[in-house]
Amino acid sequence: DAKTTQPPSMDCAEGRAANLPCNHSTISGNEYVYWYRQIHSQGPQYIIHGLKNNETNEMASLIITEDRKSSTLILPHATLRDTAVYYCIVRVAGGVKTSGSRLTFGEGTQLTVNP
Amino acid sequence: DAGVTQSPTHLIKTRGQQVTLRCSPKSGHDTVSWYQQALGQGPQFIFQYYEEEERQRGNFPDRFSGHQFPNYSSELNVNALLLGDSALYLCASSPWGGAQFFGPGTRLTVL
Repeated sequence: DAKTTQPPSMDCAEGRAANLPCNHSTISGNEYVYWYRQIHSQGPQYIIHGLKNNETNEMASLIITEDRKSSTLILPHATLRDTAVYYCIVRVAGGVKTSGSRLTFGEGTQLTVNP
Repeated sequence: DAGVTQSPTHLIKTRGQQVTLRCSPKSGHDTVSWYQQALGQGPQFIFQYYEEEERQRGNFPDRFSGHQFPNYSSELNVNALLLGDSALYLCASSPWGGAQFFGPGTRLTVL
């Protein structure tokens, strides 16, 4: 799976949009970008994933550049409860019965939302 | 609809003992993956089960073994516990190849 690079930490004011970047310059054509977050000592929470089109759900938006070498997770109106470690993960598309199904977690970005 | 459940929530064992952790997947999911998360680190993949068979394995010794049952639930067994096995053990379920959803984890402490 392709390696990802994220800033170690970011701050955001409550109510403002949080934009979390991720670089994945070696991503392959059949690899998805997944985002998870983990609040201290809890299990990681799935947020969103995408292949090449921008995606939006009730939690966040995912913007993937045209060359797919980077992406941005957007939390439109951050709240204090969004304070967590955010992980960007690149993973081979589903259905491949090889090592592609695992999630390889990096260091992630510690997002702190301030009042 | 219940999400992924794990039991027990906390466990304390001594070195050399054996432990079994349990996971019930989210309804409709047939694949279970296990991860180990040491303090201050990201989760590390242990193995994945699908159709009651281990399909993938991470870089973990044979002391770590698992099982998946016909109802898709799964167990993680660790033999000959070491101090370094102290960690949060996470179970994630998914449809085969789909997005993985994690349980709350089991906190294992080895004394």
